[in-house]
Amino acid sequence: GENVEQHPSTLSVQEGDSAVIKCTYSDSASNYFPWYKQELGKGPQLIIDIRSNVGEKKDQRIAVTLNKTAKHFSLHITETQPEDSAVYFCAASMGSARQLTFGSGTQLTVLP
Amino acid sequence: EAEVAQSPRYKITEKSQAVAFWCDPISGHATLYWYRQILGQGPELLVQFQDESVVDDSQLPKDRFSAERLKGVDSTLKIQPAELGDSAMYLCASSLYDVGETQYFGPGTRLLVL
Repeated sequence: GENVEQHPSTLSVQEGDSAVIKCTYSDSASNYFPWYKQELGKGPQLIIDIRSNVGEKKDQRIAVTLNKTAKHFSLHITETQPEDSAVYFCAASMGSARQLTFGSGTQLTVLP
Repeated sequence: EAEVAQSPRYKITEKSQAVAFWCDPISGHATLYWYRQILGQGPELLVQFQDESVVDDSQLPKDRFSAERLKGVDSTLKIQPAELGDSAMYLCASSLYDVGETQYFGPGTRLLVL
């Protein structure tokens, strides 16, 4: 089955700096890659997703890039703010009733 | 804004007891998922429903776990008997059609088995 690896496991940045989280996946048939933000005691919340027919997607301060050849995708957060502090999960799916496989998570801390 | 509802939010039980979790997905969402999230890890799928039918329960420990979605709307996940290793967050999610659609997660039920 699919295997998703996520790095780093923890990341601390100064407020206003950029943060980058990287994921690799194993199954070349995967075609849907969402990113979730999980705050303490809450369920994951989708922040951005990308499909395999697109190389990059941006939504305000958040962007995701996908390299299908290398089988990796990354989350970029610019101008980080303290409220960006949370655990971020990447995931991959082959779509159409196939399950989402999640990475192990990255604890992002934005220092004021 | 529509949300996925789950109850209870917290549950403490002793091993060998039975526990049940309830989920009400976003109205109109045909697909419902139950995940287990161990502290410090990503969610892992336990069971997926399409309407009232089970699509995938390959990761569900069927000797002690059961799930149902009788009318294709809300769902119940049961553990009997609970074991110490079952302590985790149990998350419910729903999507409009299938995995390729956005999955919306509920707040989860934190289970502690003593």
